[in-house]
Amino acid sequence: EAQVTQNPRYLITVTGKKLTVTCSQNMNHEYMSWYRQDPGLGLRQIYYSMNVEVTDKGDVPEGYKVSRKEKRNFPLILESPSPNQTSLYFCASSLNRGNTEAFFGQGTRLTVV
Amino acid sequence: DQQVKQNSPSLSVQEGRISILNCDYTNSMFDYFLWYKKYPAEGPTFLISISSIKDKNEDGRFTVFLNKSAKHLSLHIVPSQPGDSAVYFCAAGGGGSNYKLTFGKGTLLTVNP
Repeated sequence: EAQVTQNPRYLITVTGKKLTVTCSQNMNHEYMSWYRQDPGLGLRQIYYSMNVEVTDKGDVPEGYKVSRKEKRNFPLILESPSPNQTSLYFCASSLNRGNTEAFFGQGTRLTVV
Repeated sequence: DQQVKQNSPSLSVQEGRISILNCDYTNSMFDYFLWYKKYPAEGPTFLISISSIKDKNEDGRFTVFLNKSAKHLSLHIVPSQPGDSAVYFCAAGGGGSNYKLTFGKGTLLTVNP
C-alpha cells in the first residue's frame, strides 16, 4: 500500500529538548515536504526536498532542520523546541515537479510546554 | 501576503444539494491548482486538480472550475453527501523553479442529512 508514515503521532515535550519527527514514504517519490497546520492559518510549508541531499526552506523554516540522506526518509528536527512550535505537522511526498498530487502522512501533533 | 485565499471559513448545505467552495489567488504564475479534503485526525487527501490550460475538470460528483482572468477557482460537489463533511483546502503551485504548493486556510463544509 502506497503511504507516507510519520512517527510519532503524538508528542508532548519540554522547551529546549531536541526532538526528531520521522517521515518515510514507499512510493519512490523525489519530492518531500513538511507542513505545519495551525488554527486560522491553514497549511504552511516548513521545508522541502527535491531529491537526496537537496533541501530548501519553505515559508516558515525558523527553528527547524531537515535532512534527506535517503530518498524514502525526510526527518524533521527541532533542535531546541519552543512553545510556539506547538502545532500539527504533516509530511508529504509527490512523484516529481509538475502537476502531481502530494500524498500526506497522518500527522504529528506536537505540544511543547 | 496570502497568495491563496479561501474567504469562507465554513459552509453548511443540505444533503443532496450543491456545495460550492471558492478560492482566489493572487500569483499569476501559478499554473496548477488542487483541492484537498481533510477529516479530523487524518492527513489531507487529494481530491481533484486542474491545470491552468483548462477551465474545467470533472471527476464524478466533483467539478473544479478555473477562471484565470479573475484568478478564481471553485469546487462544486453535486449532490452533497454527509460523508463530504470535512475541511477543504485549495492549493496552487508551479510558476517557478521549485516544487511548492501554497495552501489556503481551508473551508469547513458541513453537509446536513
